[in-house]
Amino acid sequence: GAGVSQTPSNKVTEKGKYVELRCDPISGHTALYWYRQSLGQGPEFLIYFQGTGAADDSGLPNDRFFAVRPEGSVSTLKIQRTERGDSAVYLCASSEAGGMETQYFGPGTRLLVL
Amino acid sequence: EDQVTQSPEALRLQEGESSSLNCSYTVSGLRGLFWYRQDPGKGPEFLFTLYSAGEEKEKERLKATLTKKESFLHITAPKPEDSATYLCAVSWGAQKLVFGQGTRLTINP
Repeated sequence: GAGVSQTPSNKVTEKGKYVELRCDPISGHTALYWYRQSLGQGPEFLIYFQGTGAADDSGLPNDRFFAVRPEGSVSTLKIQRTERGDSAVYLCASSEAGGMETQYFGPGTRLLVL
Repeated sequence: EDQVTQSPEALRLQEGESSSLNCSYTVSGLRGLFWYRQDPGKGPEFLFTLYSAGEEKEKERLKATLTKKESFLHITAPKPEDSATYLCAVSWGAQKLVFGQGTRLTINP
């Protein structure tokens, strides 16, 4: 079946603009995760959804970052007033139920803030 | 603070030259340790999950092992297509994964 998909694959924006990044998880997976990966580093956790609710948002760096998953499937990561330091690859992952199950990652969205 | 450290940062091998990558982590409360492979411009691809000390998993030329304080990813007779960044990640009971910085592996033909 299809894996995790993310759109857009690349996004270039200007400092101060608003961006939305979309994630389509594997069908049937109830758990969804967002991570951020800077060049040469491992991914860093941002937020975890179980169903429609954010079960753990402890990794969101500040209140400019927000994520939703209104119907328990597709999720959108929203970044307001973007800063150059937000430039990174944003990765989405999903797992069957959010326990110790394997997290399967999408290809990522490469965000560049000019 | 829970930490994951991978070594070396980069490793260059000749085709057929076996070696090991290391992942060390904060010891207490480990629930699961995961190995992923990441190719340039792509998302991490799952390789193995290990849950308890003494556990081993194998896949083709790769073998992952787990002790009480570290994990090793052994690569036997590697080929150029094994070139990638290998990421180790740990869960301490929360659903989030904490990743190391990765080992960038290059296999020269």
